[in-house]
Amino acid sequence: AQSVAQPEDQVNVAEGNPLTVKCTYSVSGNPYLFWYVQYPNRGLQFLLKYITGDNLVKGSYGFEAEFNKSQTSFHLKKPSALVSDSALYFCAVRDTGDGGFKTIFGAGTRLFVKA
Amino acid sequence: DSGVTQTPKHLITATGQRVTLRCSPRSGDLSVYWYQQSLDQGLQFLIQYYNGEERAKGNILERFSAQQFPDLHSELNLSSLELGDSALYFCASSVVQGGYTEAFFGQGTRLTVV
Repeated sequence: AQSVAQPEDQVNVAEGNPLTVKCTYSVSGNPYLFWYVQYPNRGLQFLLKYITGDNLVKGSYGFEAEFNKSQTSFHLKKPSALVSDSALYFCAVRDTGDGGFKTIFGAGTRLFVKA
Repeated sequence: DSGVTQTPKHLITATGQRVTLRCSPRSGDLSVYWYQQSLDQGLQFLIQYYNGEERAKGNILERFSAQQFPDLHSELNLSSLELGDSALYFCASSVVQGGYTEAFFGQGTRLTVV
């Protein structure tokens, strides 16, 4: 069965500094990987995804993520953080070896960007 | 606005009761997913439907059931409610049944069991 881990409950970064939110995964086949963001009292919003091809994927709001197969990681990055980026971030995985139907989410990482 | 509509937004009910949560997917989306978000359990996958048929099951309790109707809307039924069922319940939809497509989430139904 697939699983996904977000090792940090919280990440603190100063505005203007680069940010990284970590994600590692485990699948039996090939992974489809996703990042979502959740603002207070809102549903999750899709940021970006990795399906195949280029290991660096770019998404909404200036976010990007790097797929690393050998380290089974898919870390979310942004070169310069904004206060408005403060939110709850979820990494998610689908396992093609399991049919690719179920999307399993990590526990979430809360990002605080300080002005 | 994701295009996914969930009703009601808030629900307060007593232990032992039964409630129904409703989800209307985005226009054209055939797949519906249900998730439970609680503080201690994170975002838990419950169940997925595609074009009216159950496709995948997660950590869904036997007291819970769901279905997807011919018009593609879905309902999640929660019965014999316990205090621990208090959570935010999300519905999401996508065009196809998983794979490479991202899901679009509704704003959730906050269930409080007292």
